[in-house]
Amino acid sequence: QQQVKQSPQSLIVQKGGISIINCAYENTAFDYFPWYQQFPGKGPALLIAIRPDVSEKKEGRFTISFNKSAKQFSLHIMDSQPGDSATYFCAASRSGGGADGLTFGKGTHLIIQP
Amino acid sequence: GAVVSQHPSWVICKSGTSVKIECRSLDFQATTMFWYRQFPKQSLMLMATSNEGSKATYEQGVEKDKFLINHASLTLSTLTVTSAHPEDSSFYICSASSGGTNYGYTFGSGTRLTVV
Repeated sequence: QQQVKQSPQSLIVQKGGISIINCAYENTAFDYFPWYQQFPGKGPALLIAIRPDVSEKKEGRFTISFNKSAKQFSLHIMDSQPGDSATYFCAASRSGGGADGLTFGKGTHLIIQP
Repeated sequence: GAVVSQHPSWVICKSGTSVKIECRSLDFQATTMFWYRQFPKQSLMLMATSNEGSKATYEQGVEKDKFLINHASLTLSTLTVTSAHPEDSSFYICSASSGGTNYGYTFGSGTRLTVV
């Protein structure tokens, strides 16, 4: 049973455009929702994370929107750049303090065309 | 910021041999460490969770006798793949958490294991 569903699987966006990736979760015990960026052969790097007590969080060009009632959250990358081309994973955990491991979505391969 | 160092970055071993992967938290004490496995073009799958001084907790379907995890100190965890077979070839990634109110998981750079 996949607890975190991510879409789309791949995405092509023009430079300067907005990249949007969506995730939905099933486990209502999840209380920490991070997004990771991964380049080939590297470990994932944290981009931004949110907790369910807020509906939106913005850090630079990256914004998380969170809808607790719908059990959905999304990543928006504003002014997308070729350097943003990577695989993006949403994730969730039951313990934002780090006692439990993360459940990852299947990933989105993002390509930013110059 | 928090840094997790993982070694080696890649390793090739013969079928039937064992391989040890190290994961170190460099500038913080890792209360809990996690090991993930990632097959090509797939997502990260949690293999096990370990707390310093305790036995690791393995996810369903992960063979604990094959993937030995030791978390002897607050800064070091090791994963040993015993009697490796070609199907164990994968990208192994560790992650560390310091717990407390500072949410977050810091990931290592991963180890590419190829069993020939």
